[in-house]
Amino acid sequence: EDQVTQSPEALRLQEGESSSLNCSYTVSGLRGLFWYRQDPGKGPEFLFTLYSAGEEKEKERLKATLTKKESFLHITAPKPEDSATYLCAVQDGGSQGNLIFGKGTKLSVKP
Amino acid sequence: NAGVTQTPKFQVLKTGQSMTLQCAQDMNHNSMYWYRQDPGMGLRLIYYSASEGTTDKGEVPNGYNVSRLNKREFSLRLESAAPSQTSVYFCASSQGPVETQYFGPGTRLLVL
Repeated sequence: EDQVTQSPEALRLQEGESSSLNCSYTVSGLRGLFWYRQDPGKGPEFLFTLYSAGEEKEKERLKATLTKKESFLHITAPKPEDSATYLCAVQDGGSQGNLIFGKGTKLSVKP
Repeated sequence: NAGVTQTPKFQVLKTGQSMTLQCAQDMNHNSMYWYRQDPGMGLRLIYYSASEGTTDKGEVPNGYNVSRLNKREFSLRLESAAPSQTSVYFCASSQGPVETQYFGPGTRLLVL
């Protein structure tokens, strides 16, 4: 059974304090791993898609990496506006497109 | 482009009432999805439509029905609402089954 586990559940950082969020997954044939950002009361906003181990993608202060068992979302010098819940999802080789989501990491960045 | 739109934004129902949640996308996407999000749980797939004219069950389909009205629109119907269906419902769309999914703003449903 496909599983996605995100850690930590919550993370508090000071502005400028870099850190990483983890997404561990168990899937039969990974088609893609997706990172989303979700602000309170809003829908998930797409950040990155990673397809194979070793792949990395960057956007502003965020960098996503992928290994065969997990993905990391690195946040460099975060700002208060980076506060949100970050969701990880995987798509397996047998699916028709449905994503399996983790429960998310709630990030708070204090000024 | 509005992307994915959902109506209504918020709804209160009494147990046993029915309602339809509407979703539309203007990105010319082929695939559409309905998810629900509950506190402490990840987003869970209710139903999806890989292409116009097809629909399939996801992880939690019981108590729901869907209609792919055309390429743009995908509706979710609750025939007899139950308190366990209190949740936030998100519609999403993608170019194809293995492409990136883009989400709407959600419908918050409270069943009393």
